[in-house]
Formats: sequence, structure tokens, C-alpha cells
Amino acid sequence: AQKITQTQPGMFVQEKEAVTLDCTYDTSDQSYGLFWYKQPSSGEMIFLIYQGSYDEQNATEGRYSLNFQKARKSANLVISASQLGDSAMYFCAMREDYGNNRLAFGKGNQVVVIP
Amino acid sequence: DVKVTQSSRYLVKRTGEKVFLECVQDMDHENMFWYRQDPGLGLRLIYFSYDVKMKEKGDIPEGYSVSREKKERFSLILESASTNQTSMYLCASTLTGESNQPQHFGDGTRLSIL
Repeated sequence: AQKITQTQPGMFVQEKEAVTLDCTYDTSDQSYGLFWYKQPSSGEMIFLIYQGSYDEQNATEGRYSLNFQKARKSANLVISASQLGDSAMYFCAMREDYGNNRLAFGKGNQVVVIP
Repeated sequence: DVKVTQSSRYLVKRTGEKVFLECVQDMDHENMFWYRQDPGLGLRLIYFSYDVKMKEKGDIPEGYSVSREKKERFSLILESASTNQTSMYLCASTLTGESNQPQHFGDGTRLSIL
């Protein structure tokens, strides 16, 4: 069964606007972690932000923030003030805390920022 | 900064060849991973290792093997390459123990099997 669901089609966003990328997850664990990665066309995977299941505050890292709704099992990424360099694929991933640090990845969201 | 280095960015091999993809990390990480990435499928875990000489199958291990003789190096082996193994291969590493530790990735190897 798919553990991470990212279903949005490719998105176009105007430069300087905010964009929200949806991620829902499925787990029966109480303790888990959620990650977002960015993959530009060059191919490298860049870690953006982390949210722990017990964190009471939504995570923020610069222009990235995470809208974490535990009861709904969603962890949406918000990118504020989009820049042309934000054009990339974005992947949501989950680690279930059973010790070996595996991640389950979603299929990704494509974002294109237009001037 | 953590550095994960994959030996090749682009590689072209022929069907039936034995192919080695090498990955080295410089941060003394216990855990290392090999993924393949295909359009529309996201990242799928092939194998991972949580210690020297230890390995675990991921979700799609068929047609692959791995080797971890030293802590910093994790090799992916295609025993007899086939065209359906044409893909992007990504290596990653992370520390054990802290759940908030991200996996750090190499730049990827785009492998074409002709």
C-alpha cells in the first residue's frame, strides 16, 4: 500500500507568489518523521525541511514551512515568495521509527515558476 | 557539510554486462541506501545497509546486489544488465539513532543499458 501520496498535477506558479504542495501519509506508528526534498533538473536531491510527529509547532526553514495536520495525516509544504530557482520536483517522504532510517517517498510534485 | 559522491553522473553499458555503481560518503554514516528513480514512480529503494558487511533488501532488489566492505563505501551491482534497468540511480546516507536526521544524497547516476 502506498504510504505517501502526492497527487497534484504539475503546477505553474507566478514568481513571488506562494505555492502549497500537498502530501498525505499512511502509518499506524505514533512516532514518525516527515521530510521534504527538492530535485532540480540537474538531478541532486536537496533536503528542505523536517517535521516530527510529536513536534507541536509547524516546522519552518526560511521560505519553506510545513502545514502539519496530524489528525488528517497531511504534511503540506508551503513555499513563500517563489523564485525562478524553485522550479523543480518536490518529494515528500516519511520515516517510521523502527530503527533503520528507511524513507518511503511519494511520487513527487512538479513546480514551474514563471516570471 | 556531508558529501556523498557517486562515481559517475552518466554511464552507458550493454545488455548482459556486469555493472558497478560506486558511492562514497565522508561523514562516518552508518546507514547507506540505493534507490532508483523512474518518471512517475518516485524513488524506490533497492537495497540498504546499516553497517559494514550488512545489507537488507528494499522494495525492488531483483537483478541487483550490493557490497559494503568499508563503512564509507556502498556499491550497487547489476549482475547482468538489462534494458529495464535503464534509470536514474541515487545513493544516500544517514546517521543512526536520531529520527530527525535527513538522508543525504549523491548527485545521481543516469544509467543507460543498450
